[in-house]
Amino acid sequence: QSVLTQPPSASGTPGQGVTISCSGSSSNIESNYVYWYQHLPGTAPKLLIYRNNQRPSGVPDRFSGSKSGTSASLAISGLRSEDEADYYCAARDDSLRTRLFGGGTQLTVL
Amino acid sequence: EVQLVESGGGLVQPGGSLTLSCAASGFTFINYEMNWVRQAPGKGLEWVSYISRSGSTMYYADSVKGRFTISRDNAKNSLYLQMNSLRGEDTAVYYCAREDPRWELPDYWGQGTLVTVSS
Repeated sequence: QSVLTQPPSASGTPGQGVTISCSGSSSNIESNYVYWYQHLPGTAPKLLIYRNNQRPSGVPDRFSGSKSGTSASLAISGLRSEDEADYYCAARDDSLRTRLFGGGTQLTVL
Repeated sequence: EVQLVESGGGLVQPGGSLTLSCAASGFTFINYEMNWVRQAPGKGLEWVSYISRSGSTMYYADSVKGRFTISRDNAKNSLYLQMNSLRGEDTAVYYCAREDPRWELPDYWGQGTLVTVSS
């Protein structure tokens, strides 16, 4: 069981918006930056959001991140079929001296 | 173009050993910290190990501590993971991932190499 908790699944129809949550604690999310990754099975995970809400070059502005206290969220607007993938939050943990990943959320675009 | 190419995966018996390699190109390898992250079948991503730019500092997940050793050869632009006393629960796709020291977590990842531990 992951220290960072995400819902196992989420869904939406094309054009809709969806939000994926990530819950942690004071030693990880609250005191460190949150990152989000998109992963299609068999491919390299892709960085979507870094430092809570920053998008790397090339990531559409349909993807946005936020953080409040011990929780973080990834919002995707204007859903497209190619957004169907697994999404992971991640953060460092000060007490464990590790990098942590959430359990992942499988997004289905209906 | 940043490229990370893992190799060395395969089928190994429980208790056996395997060494994974990650060949880096398209960036100045010595300027980046590196990680290994794995994904077991049907499971999420699990961080395995970290190594600093010089190779002097390493961290491990509790699940592999004492059995796995991370190392790097900056002259060869390569990252390694020596895995000993392998168990069934080590079966996974193993990814190497680059980490910019100005940031906190990986930015680029390889495509992964599959390790299967089974008799």
